[in-house]
Amino acid sequence: GEDVEQSLFLSVREGDSSVINCTYTDSSSTYLYWYKQEPGAGLQLLTYIFSNMDMKQDQRLTVLLNKKDKHLSLRIADTQTGDSAIYFCAEKDFSNDMRFGAGTRLTVKP
Amino acid sequence: EAQVTQNPRYLITVTGKKLTVTCSQNMNHEYMSWYRQDPGLGLRQIYYSMNVEVTDKGDVPEGYKVSRKEKRNFPLILESPSPNQTSLYFCASSLSPMGPTDTQYFGPGTRLTVL
Repeated sequence: GEDVEQSLFLSVREGDSSVINCTYTDSSSTYLYWYKQEPGAGLQLLTYIFSNMDMKQDQRLTVLLNKKDKHLSLRIADTQTGDSAIYFCAEKDFSNDMRFGAGTRLTVKP
Repeated sequence: EAQVTQNPRYLITVTGKKLTVTCSQNMNHEYMSWYRQDPGLGLRQIYYSMNVEVTDKGDVPEGYKVSRKEKRNFPLILESPSPNQTSLYFCASSLSPMGPTDTQYFGPGTRLTVL
């Protein structure tokens, strides 16, 4: 089956940039998403990108998509302790099925 | 307040004892879905429903049942729970699954332990 993969952990210092990476295998992906999960809560949609775009910026968040390599990244500028959470990459294919990665736990140290 | 609610939030049960996890949304969403979240595996879809009386299997439907008799409710039923169903379960809803901005709203999760 199709897969979405992410590294499981990332640790950064407050004020630094965080880059969370994701790779996927489905060449029919239409949209790609980043979700944030805070402790004890459900997932919240952070941002998404259409598969024919290369980049999307939204305040401190920058999404980069390399469709040829099937690589998606989320950059968080000026990372704060409140950004500590699990970040999920997800992709939606042409039949509207969604697949999630395992999640990357971001720890921000003061 | 727009929300998805799940009950119970925590449940410890024993193998074979039937249980139901309820899910309710107040946003008049057509699409509802159940996921399980396991360490290192992310979210996997169990069942989804496009509308009332329309349900379909997701990636991991074995051992689960659902029903959608009303638009707002989408209960998850485990007829005979087993320890491998110990997991964190999320219900989600969206207006429809079709577009990128049809955001899925997630419930707070139900942590189930089957002994």
